[in-house]
Amino acid sequence: NAGVTQTPKFQVLKTGQSMTLQCAQDMNHEYMSWYRQDPGMGLRLIHYSVGAGITDQGEVPNGYNVSRSTTEDFPLRLLSAAPSQTSVYFCASSTGRHTEAFFGQGTRLTVV
Amino acid sequence: GDSVTQMEGPVTLSEEAFLTINCTYTATGYPSLFWYVQYPGEGLQLLLKATKADDKGSNKGFEATYRKETTSFHLEKGSVQVSDSAVYFCALNEIAGKSTFGDGTTLTVKP
Repeated sequence: NAGVTQTPKFQVLKTGQSMTLQCAQDMNHEYMSWYRQDPGMGLRLIHYSVGAGITDQGEVPNGYNVSRSTTEDFPLRLLSAAPSQTSVYFCASSTGRHTEAFFGQGTRLTVV
Repeated sequence: GDSVTQMEGPVTLSEEAFLTINCTYTATGYPSLFWYVQYPGEGLQLLLKATKADDKGSNKGFEATYRKETTSFHLEKGSVQVSDSAVYFCALNEIAGKSTFGDGTTLTVKP
């Protein structure tokens, strides 16, 4: 079982560059989310989706875009990278609010 | 809004010691509560959960009880092992796909 797959695992960007973090799940989960993890701050929600074609903002959405054209894929786009976006990014999927989230392995992003 | 507060860490224990990691929450409704564990270089994985008041979640010797009256979900284990060394996160869900996490507690268990 692949579960939730994130690519790439590591990335270095220069300030101002754009890129897309990929996330795919093969469990047919309805709900998908993107979080960032910073030292001492736990995980903070960037964007989430309740189904194909439906997305909404989380706690820290500025500087990021998402789309959900299929149930399986939920890419996260950085429009113009900034050093403040240096973080570890996790994608997660779930089936409802009483069920656990399944996480990918994470993408470690450094913006210089 | 929703929030989760975990005891400040890190926590260092000797093998076979008793573990408690405190977690309290603030929510407007009736959330489901979770404990996740993260090993170095990996994503979070579910440790245990409880979906309503007075439920007890348990897994691998870890336990936590959903206490609505004290808005708490403290994690306990009677005898920790070196392999339990990891970061532990308390989390709540009121809306599917929109979890709220605590800051995490790093546990180190020494032989």
